[in-house]
This record gives sequence, C-alpha cells and structure tokens, in this order.
Amino acid sequence: EVQLVESGGGLVQPGGSLRLSCAASGFTYSTYWMSWVRQPPGKGLEWVANIKQDGSEKYYVDSVKGRFTISRDNAENSLFLQMNSLRPDDTAVYYCARGKDVRYWGQGTLVTVSS
Amino acid sequence: DIQMTQSPSSVSASVGDRVTITCRASQGISSWLAWYQQKPGKAPKLLIYAASSLQSGVPSRFSGSGSGTDFTLTISSLQPEDFATYYCLQTNSFPLTFGGGTKVEIK
Repeated sequence: EVQLVESGGGLVQPGGSLRLSCAASGFTYSTYWMSWVRQPPGKGLEWVANIKQDGSEKYYVDSVKGRFTISRDNAENSLFLQMNSLRPDDTAVYYCARGKDVRYWGQGTLVTVSS
Repeated sequence: DIQMTQSPSSVSASVGDRVTITCRASQGISSWLAWYQQKPGKAPKLLIYAASSLQSGVPSRFSGSGSGTDFTLTISSLQPEDFATYYCLQTNSFPLTFGGGTKVEIK
C-alpha cells in the first residue's frame, strides 16, 4: 500500500524558514517523480514543485521560485521542501504526492505564516 | 503557462442525478488530464487519469472524456458519498495547473 506521511509544518513568522519532510513507503520510491501541492485554507489546490527520480530536474511554480527548494533522499525514501523567506500567502496545507501525474497523496501538513 | 478553466464552480444536485463538470485548457494538452475528488478535511483522491482512465477502486459511475482542450467528468448517478469538491489537473507541462474546483452540493 502506498503511504506518504508529511511532517514539519507549524507556525512561523513572516520571513522565517521551515523544512517539510515526506516519508514514503509501499512502492519503489527511487523510480517515481515526486510532487508538492498546497491548499490555502478554504481555497483550491496549487501545484508547488516537482523533482525527477534522480533529482536532476526540478520545477517550481513562479510564486516560490528562489524561496523554496525541493530535494529527495532515495536511500531514505524521503522527500523534502525547504521553505525560506516565508510570506503570509504561503499559509496552506502542504501535500506530498507521488508521480508526475500526482496519483497518490499524503494527508498533508499545515504551515501557518503569521506574526 | 496553461490555464485550466473549470465549470461550473458549484452545482446543486439530487441523489440519482447525472452531473457533468467541464475543464477547458488554454492550449492543447493531449490527454494529460486528471480528475480528483476532495472531501472536507481530507486529501484529494484521484478518480480519472489520462483523461478517461478510471483509477483502480473508483466506482464505474465516474467517467472522463475529452482530449486537446476540452474535458468532461461525468457522474452518471450521484450517490450520497459523492457530495464533494472536484478538481481537474493538467500534467502536460510544467507548471502543472489545477482548475478552480467544482463543489457538488445537495439540492
């Protein structure tokens, strides 16, 4: 069974940093693209970033370029999202998802950016 | 960037009704389109991938069609558990983009 478990969310002040993690199991992690998707409270879904199987290609939505970095550790079946220079409009539930086609999702972790 | 225009934004329907949701892409995306269902407080769940392929375990009352720029999700006979918000997602090119969502409400 595919399982994705996010962690690392919380309350952070504007301008601060946070690192999200996603632990993957139930599939051969190193053979899949991985994604981060977010959802602000009461709003729709927004794709944030993708990373290729070997980490050689990374893509981001314009609003996070230069501030967020996606990375992965295939030995530990883990996905990460380093978030710097956080802004109030980054407040959202952040989901880890498997594949370029975003087929399986974790349950999400809430990031709140507020003073 | 490819824009996904989803309509309607909400629909009121009764159990047993046929419901149709559409997504239009601002440029051709072949069949690189997925549909998701999301219930309050839960993660989205994949229903349809590659525009018309039913994800394993999803009831057959859900179907998808279309290619190029125009796509449709149809629920043939709405069930109580289908009241939720539905999203389309284009996976043709980065940045991936979602439609704005359609909330299916009880009439």
